[in-house]
Amino acid sequence: NAGVTQTPKFQVLKTGQSMTLQCAQDMNHNSMYWYRQDPGMGLRLIYYSASEGTTDKGEVPNGYNVSRLNKREFSLRLESAAPSQTSVYFCASWGRNQPQHFGDGTRLSIL
Amino acid sequence: EDQVTQSPEALRLQEGESSSLNCSYTVSGLRGLFWYRQDPGKGPEFLFTLYSAGEEKEKERLKATLTKKESFLHITAPKPEDSATYLCAVQASAGGTSYGKLTFGQGTILTVHP
Repeated sequence: NAGVTQTPKFQVLKTGQSMTLQCAQDMNHNSMYWYRQDPGMGLRLIYYSASEGTTDKGEVPNGYNVSRLNKREFSLRLESAAPSQTSVYFCASWGRNQPQHFGDGTRLSIL
Repeated sequence: EDQVTQSPEALRLQEGESSSLNCSYTVSGLRGLFWYRQDPGKGPEFLFTLYSAGEEKEKERLKATLTKKESFLHITAPKPEDSATYLCAVQASAGGTSYGKLTFGQGTILTVHP
C-alpha cells in the first residue's frame, strides 16, 4: 500500500525551463493538494483539487498550474521556472473524516 | 485569515527530559487541529487530530491537548528517536466546507540527545 507517490524525488532545472511534478494516490481520496515547504515558513498551499474535475488556488499559486488527471493523479506544472521556486514540494490527499496523507516530496533546485 | 504559530522554533532536550511544544492558532471556526511529525527527507506523518477544547490524545510518549486558543504537544521522557520536526495545522469550517484545506505553522525542530 504505497499511499501517496511523488515523482521525481529530486530535480535540478535552469531558469526558464518547464517541468511537471507528478503525484498519485491509491487511497480512493476525493481531494488532493500541492504544498511547498521552505525553511522557517512551514507548508504553504499552492493549489488543491476538492474532487475530480475541479481545481482551485491556494495561498501561493503564482507561477504554477495544476491538472487533476483523474481521481488518482494530480500534477503540478512550472511553465517557466524561477530561482524563487526552489523548494521542497509535497503532494497530499484527503478523504472525509481522515487526516491528510503526504508523499515524501520532490526536492527542486532552480539555478 | 487563519494563522498558526508554533514555539519554540527549536528545542534541544536530554534523553528523559520532559517538555512541551506550543501551537497557537486563530481560525474562523475550528474543524480540527492536527499534529504531524516530519523526519528529514520525508513527508509529514500524522500523529493526532483534536476537535474541541478540552480534548486530549496520547500515543506512546506524546500527549496532545487543546484549548480554544492553543494546543500543546507534551513529550514525556523523550528518546533520541523522538528527534524530528513537529508540525501543527488547523482546518477551518468557515463557509460550511473547507475541502480539507490545512493551514500549517512553521514547525518546531526537536533534538533529543542521548
